[in-house]
Amino acid sequence: SQKIEQNSEALNIQEGKTATLTCNYTNYSPAYLQWYRQDPGRGPVFLLLIRENEKEKRKERLKVTFDTTLKQSLFHITASQPADSATYLCALDEGGGNKLTFGTGTQLKVEL
Amino acid sequence: EPEVTQTPSHQVTQMGQEVILRCVPISNHLYFYWYRQILGQKVEFLVSFYNNEISEKSEIFDDQFSVERPDGSNFTLKIRSTKLEDSAMYFCASKREFSYNEQFFGPGTRLTVL
Repeated sequence: SQKIEQNSEALNIQEGKTATLTCNYTNYSPAYLQWYRQDPGRGPVFLLLIRENEKEKRKERLKVTFDTTLKQSLFHITASQPADSATYLCALDEGGGNKLTFGTGTQLKVEL
Repeated sequence: EPEVTQTPSHQVTQMGQEVILRCVPISNHLYFYWYRQILGQKVEFLVSFYNNEISEKSEIFDDQFSVERPDGSNFTLKIRSTKLEDSAMYFCASKREFSYNEQFFGPGTRLTVL
């Protein structure tokens, strides 16, 4: 099964800067990759999905890239705000739509 | 906006007792899931359910676990004889269709086994 690696160290950035989070996977390239946000004690909330034939996807201040050669996805938040502080999870589908495998997540802290 | 709901928000039980965690998926969704997250660890897949049967299950989902859709709205996870290591947040999720798209997660049930 896939091994998904996200930076386990918290990422601290200043308000207004761009946050970049990394997701690496080890085995076959999935058909698509998803990013979720998780706040403490809450369930994951879907943010973006990118398919294997898409290089980049944007939604408001969020941008995701997908490099199947590097087996990596990057997640960017531009003009970051304190409200963006949360844990961000990368997830791959391993069951043809039947299940998601999550990374451990990267905690982002945006400071004033 | 429709959302997945779960009850109870927190369940405390004694080791060896049976618990039932309840979920109400989004009404027009057809695919249902349970995940769990042990404190400080990653979200782990337990089981997926479609058309009144299990589609896929993980190694965690052993004979102590079962799922059911008893009526048109509820989706339940039963743990027959709880162990200390079952203590975790349990998340229900649902999805509208099979094609690749997002899953909608509920707020979770925190299960504490004493």
